[in-house]
Amino acid sequence: DSGVTQTPKHLITATGQRVTLRCSPRSGDLSVYWYQQSLDQGLQFLIQYYNGEERAKGNILERFSAQQFPDLHSELNLSSLELGDSALYFCASSVQDLGVSWSEKLFFGSGTQLSVL
Amino acid sequence: AQSVAQPEDQVNVAEGNPLTVKCTYSVSGNPYLFWYVQYPNRGLQFLLKYITGDNLVKGSYGFEAEFNKSQTSFHLKKPSALVSDSALYFCAVRTSYGGATNKLIFGTGTLLAVQP
Repeated sequence: DSGVTQTPKHLITATGQRVTLRCSPRSGDLSVYWYQQSLDQGLQFLIQYYNGEERAKGNILERFSAQQFPDLHSELNLSSLELGDSALYFCASSVQDLGVSWSEKLFFGSGTQLSVL
Repeated sequence: AQSVAQPEDQVNVAEGNPLTVKCTYSVSGNPYLFWYVQYPNRGLQFLLKYITGDNLVKGSYGFEAEFNKSQTSFHLKKPSALVSDSALYFCAVRTSYGGATNKLIFGTGTLLAVQP
């Protein structure tokens, strides 16, 4: 058990809908990262937050947004869903900001499997 | 652009035999290299990392990786494979230059299948 909790584990929805994925980082970790894993694209970095502030952005679509709350949990919001958004979404956490601590180890949650029908 | 490549989609090895999972990278500056493993229905787990120093890095579960700067490679190895090593293995890289580049770039993954 990595200590990172993601809910829900599975999500089935229809095109055009909006969903929210939730992540609770390990106790004491200030950084949260979101990744998307699909068969086509592999594991893609989406976005990172550190202590409530956005720190880095990857290949995140404009239809997607995220935030980190004062209690350090994070939510990834996906809207106007398309079939191609079906993927496994991982959250990871680390103590420090990767921009500060270059060798920081990430701890991954088990992921949320999103199926858009 | 930084990238990491895992040329093999799948590696098959018999239990007890040595295994190698290949990874090559392309970065500007000094690379920080990682291996992660993903077991079925689980998140990725950290195996080992190379930052600097000895080119042979030892990690969890008996795995090791060899950094080769001239070949820009960071192959994952284990002297004797176990059936329980069967999983998806990801190589990842970060660069060491400054700025807000906090991204960990992952390869596409290599499925390791260890036959009993």
